Amino acid sequence: GQNIDQPTEMTATEGAIVQINCTYQTSGFNGLFWYQQHAGEAPTFLSYNVLDGLEEKGRFSSFLSRSKGYSYLLLKELQMKDSASYLCAAPNSGAGSYQLTFGKGTKLSVIP
Amino acid sequence: EAGVVQSPRYKIIEKKQPVAFWCNPISGHNTLYWYLQNLGQGPELLIRYENEEAVDDSQLPKDRFSAERLKGVDSTLKIQPAELGDSAVYLCASSLDAGPYEQYFGPGTRLTVT
Repeated sequence: GQNIDQPTEMTATEGAIVQINCTYQTSGFNGLFWYQQHAGEAPTFLSYNVLDGLEEKGRFSSFLSRSKGYSYLLLKELQMKDSASYLCAAPNSGAGSYQLTFGKGTKLSVIP
Repeated sequence: EAGVVQSPRYKIIEKKQPVAFWCNPISGHNTLYWYLQNLGQGPELLIRYENEEAVDDSQLPKDRFSAERLKGVDSTLKIQPAELGDSAVYLCASSLDAGPYEQYFGPGTRLTVT
């Protein structure tokens, strides 16, 4: 399985930039996912990184360093609606095995 | 396209009672997942289906939990008998196939066992 660690809570100001970090330990690697989950709602897909580097998608970007077992989600121009939990998830290793192990999530609060 | 549908959205039962949850995945998605999510935690996989075959049920407490996916489409998850510790949100998700594909989650069933 995977061991995934991310901060429990973060607070940032509307209009600012915030970086949510995720570290993982794995015996194999099949990429890393980020999901967003608003309170009381289902997780929704944000990004999937399998190669090192930064992938940008609008206001959200995700970075991966496989050698360091490290990823981050970067949110720019924060809006109040970005207040949510952000879940880092990694597939288990093993051929054909794509069971996702989720971190506990980082609860982001955006304040005016 | 319609998303993953789950019912009921909320369920309150007394301990030792049975309960069942239903999930209809996105049309054409072969892989279906049931997750359990406790407050402040990430989802934890209970069981994964590829078509009608359960290919990963190592996390399913088989003494009280059961699941089925007849005809490889809809799925039901059952708990009998329910315990207080089963109170959680039960999420169903589906993906196009087994692999590093995006998983689409349903809204979940919030179970409260009293």
